[in-house]
Amino acid sequence: QQPVQSPQAVILREGEDAVINCSSSKALYSVHWYRQKHGEAPVFLMILLKGGEQKGHEKISASFNEKKQQSSLYLTASQLSYSGTYFCGTDKAFGTGTRLTIIP
Amino acid sequence: DTGVSQDPRHKITKRGQNVTFRCDPISEHNRLYWYRQTLGQGPEFLTYFQNEAQLEKSRLLSDRFSAERPKGSFSTLEIQRTEQGDSAMYLCASSLASMGQGNYGYTFGSGTRLTVV
Repeated sequence: QQPVQSPQAVILREGEDAVINCSSSKALYSVHWYRQKHGEAPVFLMILLKGGEQKGHEKISASFNEKKQQSSLYLTASQLSYSGTYFCGTDKAFGTGTRLTIIP
Repeated sequence: DTGVSQDPRHKITKRGQNVTFRCDPISEHNRLYWYRQTLGQGPEFLTYFQNEAQLEKSRLLSDRFSAERPKGSFSTLEIQRTEQGDSAMYLCASSLASMGQGNYGYTFGSGTRLTVV
């Protein structure tokens, strides 16, 4: 079963922050995060390997709690270029997706 | 390095025909994945290779689908006797098998869009 993400969609004004949550019913040993823009292939953002690990990528960071089988993606001071659909998951199971729209 | 290449970019075929797609991964990547994505959905895992060995196949991959990576470099995905339900974007991705703490990650190709009419 695929990981479940929340929210399903979010609209932000440029400069606002957002959090995307990812929860799995199966044990997770690592979590990947991807962003996909409409009509394009997914782009890998980061992988988290250890429980409690946090990583950052520009103004996008993520945390992973393997005990809770949860991960969160944090987007700070959002930019127009952050718009797209974000997926968490593993190499074999993508999450349900969160559509992020940034408006000027 | 030019990234992951997929060919063709688009394929229109009649129901019942066979189609074959090719993926050229990043040269130093030893893992290669195939996914299928339909409109509005996330990618669905189909199969993956480590070097030339096919290590896992999804239950989604019916016996009409076959994939190969004969020399551990490029890969082909063949669909026999295509059905309208096979219409989708077929994505290939490559990665290093062991990434440690690095953000090397996975690189996707631009995909092959298959339309079965």
